[in-house]
Amino acid sequence: ILMTQSPSSLSAYVGDRVSITCRASQTISTNLNWYQQTPGKAPKLLIYSVSSLQSGVPSRFSGSGSGTDFTLTISSLQPEDFATYYCQESHGYNTFGQGTRLEI
Amino acid sequence: ELQLLYSGRGLEQPGGSLRLSCAASGFTFSNYAMGWVRQTPGKGLEWLSSITGRAENTYDAQSVRGRITVSRDNSKNMLYLQLNNLGAEDTAIYYCVKETSPGGPGAFDSWGQGTLITVSS
Repeated sequence: ILMTQSPSSLSAYVGDRVSITCRASQTISTNLNWYQQTPGKAPKLLIYSVSSLQSGVPSRFSGSGSGTDFTLTISSLQPEDFATYYCQESHGYNTFGQGTRLEI
Repeated sequence: ELQLLYSGRGLEQPGGSLRLSCAASGFTFSNYAMGWVRQTPGKGLEWLSSITGRAENTYDAQSVRGRITVSRDNSKNMLYLQLNNLGAEDTAIYYCVKETSPGGPGAFDSWGQGTLITVSS
């Protein structure tokens, strides 16, 4: 399964609403997860099963989609949100997207 | 919490074997599948292998199948990786991960700190 994220990079301001999309090469039902990674750190799970918020993750993060097309939305960017975001399918092959770098 | 353990200096020989351990704490280890993920600048994040909670099954990525062995000791809360016949393409940061279900596949809700392994002579 190929996971394609867009855009590859994104520039935004604090307070902006941003969305990142992830497209799967075949249907993956609701087996889609999102991670955030800051430099030098391990990825951190944000959202699992398309739209379930991981414990401790702020509510400004949300996920949507089904089948092959999915979206991660950050409703109001905070300084700590500038990071790289990855989608991952857990439908069978645990494939990650190539990442979206969110820059100030 | 996951603590990746590696006794080497981060440099492995081509053709050699990589052995990593991961110590888990803070959760009932045998209730969850565990896995290994690596990261390179070129290929990004790559899942390598997962093992179910009671070690009934293992699942390997095609890219490392035949070279990888993942095991666990639930009495010690330990996860292990052995990767054989190393090549330059195995140069990466390696992470151990906890999955959200006992049988996998699932999301990875806890990650070890990662360790950089370079394969070079």
